[in-house]
Amino acid sequence: GEDVEQSLFLSVREGDSSVINCTYTDSSSTYLYWYKQEPGAGLQLLTYIFSNMDMKQDQRLTVLLNKKDKHLSLRIADTQTGDSAIYFCAELNTGGFKTIFGAGTRLFVKA
Amino acid sequence: NAGVTQTPKFRILKIGQSMTLQCTQDMNHNYMYWYRQDPGMGLKLIYYSVGAGITDKGEVPNGYNVSRSTTEDFPLRLELAAPSQTSVYFCASSPQSDRGQNSPLHFGNGTRLTVT
Repeated sequence: GEDVEQSLFLSVREGDSSVINCTYTDSSSTYLYWYKQEPGAGLQLLTYIFSNMDMKQDQRLTVLLNKKDKHLSLRIADTQTGDSAIYFCAELNTGGFKTIFGAGTRLFVKA
Repeated sequence: NAGVTQTPKFRILKIGQSMTLQCTQDMNHNYMYWYRQDPGMGLKLIYYSVGAGITDKGEVPNGYNVSRSTTEDFPLRLELAAPSQTSVYFCASSPQSDRGQNSPLHFGNGTRLTVT
C-alpha cells in the first residue's frame, strides 16, 4: 500500500543547513510535497516537486528527488529559529485526489 | 481571503455526546478532506469528497460521518464520542485537477477535540 516515512526529530544550530529526509512507496506518485506546520496552526504548503524532476530550488530551500530509490529530501540553507516547526513529506496518489502524509519531522533550531 | 475556515477551535466532549465540526471554504474547490492528527502519527484521512453530493471513506472513517450538500461546506459529525477520538482535526481543500496535475492542499487551522 501507499506509505510515507520520515524521521521524527532533527536538531540543528542556527546558521547551519538542515536536511530532512523522506521515503515513499508509490512509484506512480505524480507530485511530492513538503508542508510546514507551526505550533497551533494548520499545515501550509512549503514547496513541491513534480516526479519527472530531480531537483528544485526556491531561495533557501532545495528539494532533491531520487525516483529510483523513492527518496525525497528537503534542505534548508542558513537555518533560522523561525524555521522551527514540523515538516511533513507527502505524495499525491496515482488517482490524483488523495494525499498521503508522513508522520512529520520536528525541526529544533538552537540559537 | 478566508481560505478554509474551521469551527470551533477547541471543544471538550463527554463520552457518548455528539457534535459537528464545521468546515467551509471560499475558493470554489471541488475536493475537500478531513484529517485527524495524533502525536507522532502524522495525518490520517477520515473522509473525503470530490464534489457536492459525493463522499467517500478514508483510512480511519469509523465513528464519523460527513455530508457535502454544497461545494463550500463539508461538516464532520461525531455521533457517540469516545476517548479514542481525542485528536486535532484538520479540514482541507484542493482544486479539481485531472490526473497528473498539481493539487496541493489548503488547510484550516484545526479543531482540538478532547473526549473525557
